Amino acid sequence: KQEVTQIPAALSVPEGENLVLNCSFTDSAIYNLQWFRQDPGKGLTSLLLIQSSQREQTSGRLNASLDKSSGRSTLYIAASQPGDSATYLCAVENNAGNMLTFGGGTRLMVKP
Amino acid sequence: GAVVSQHPSWVICKSGTSVKIECRSLDFQATTMFWYRQFPKQSLMLMATSNEGSKATYEQGVEKDKFLINHASLTLSTLTVTSAHPEDSSFYICSASYTANTEAFFGQGTRLTVV
Repeated sequence: KQEVTQIPAALSVPEGENLVLNCSFTDSAIYNLQWFRQDPGKGLTSLLLIQSSQREQTSGRLNASLDKSSGRSTLYIAASQPGDSATYLCAVENNAGNMLTFGGGTRLMVKP
Repeated sequence: GAVVSQHPSWVICKSGTSVKIECRSLDFQATTMFWYRQFPKQSLMLMATSNEGSKATYEQGVEKDKFLINHASLTLSTLTVTSAHPEDSSFYICSASYTANTEAFFGQGTRLTVV
């Protein structure tokens, strides 16, 4: 059974810092991995999708890497802003089907 | 990307009543839809997998008689919480995919509060 872990569970940084969120998964037989953002009480916003054959994806200040063999992904946020404050979730889709297994999330607070 | 619409976005109901949540894929046909539940300060957990025209597959610990899922068409799946109780208060979110192993698109979620 796939298990996804995110570290740290919570993070508070001053504005402008570069930061890294970590995600690890136990079963490397994944189809893809996604990073989502969730604002309090809201739904999910997909940030980046990395196919299993890819190593990284970039969108603006965000960069996500994937090391499938070691079961790890990182989300790098450059020059953090208060508007980046949210919970960031990673989720993996296994080859067996397109259900997602979510990590516990990292609650990010960027202080002005 | 494709659009998945979930309705309602929030609902408050009395204990013992039933609530129906709709999940629609607006511009594509979704063979498979998934229903997730998120309790406060916890991550999303899969409740069930819904395939068009067949019975839903429920995850362990999810009562199929309490959470009725209907996926009668390729663009609509519904989740009905029957005889809701306060412990069913949660955030419910659906996702839809074209086919297996393709990107999943999420609805906006439904905040259910049972009083």
